[in-house]
Amino acid sequence: DTEVTQTPKHLVMGMTNKKSLKCEQHMGHRAMYWYKQKAKKPPELMFVYSYEKLSINESVPSRFSPECPNSSLLNLHLHALQPEDSALYLCASSQLAGVSYEQYFGPGTRLTVT
Amino acid sequence: AQRVTQPEKLLSVFKGAPVELKCNYSYSGSPELFWYVQYSRQRLQLLLRHISRESIKGFTADLNKGETSFHLKKPFAQEEDSAMYYCALKRTGFQKLVFGTGTRLLVSP
Repeated sequence: DTEVTQTPKHLVMGMTNKKSLKCEQHMGHRAMYWYKQKAKKPPELMFVYSYEKLSINESVPSRFSPECPNSSLLNLHLHALQPEDSALYLCASSQLAGVSYEQYFGPGTRLTVT
Repeated sequence: AQRVTQPEKLLSVFKGAPVELKCNYSYSGSPELFWYVQYSRQRLQLLLRHISRESIKGFTADLNKGETSFHLKKPFAQEEDSAMYYCALKRTGFQKLVFGTGTRLLVSP
């Protein structure tokens, strides 16, 4: 299996809802990433996990809460989001962080906050 | 802080014409440069990385440290090359990948 999978594909949530995005890879990669991509903009890094430990938080608001339960799974818990948080959320993984390994991207979850 | 600039939002060429997608970066240290591509309705994927010095799908890119550039070139464009291309930079030994704003390449028949 050489793919990063993300669920759900689409998510619509209200500002008071709590939801989670899920990302999974079975390539044995030890680094996993969350990116946010607004329309017609490049991906922007949110979080990096390395060996299941959070190594980078790009000053992301606390209404986004990442979790890495094991080396294959990455979650992004969402709570009290704002309409401006509507975007495509991309997950990626790589063999290791900090070296020139290819990042494999998932197809993304398109989030709409109403 | 590192920055990646792709000056062209859209590049439109005819099939068989040469293509050059420009990428300039600002970073005083030793960077690692990449080109990622996103075809229509497909996920973002790596096309090239500068350390590999390889040609993928006829594309090449050379890191020019003097001009701080990493332009992507192909001598003869094909229609299937139409896609969004992102140049990206990573500081050696660090984890963060910084993307340029992207260039949409349209190859017409």
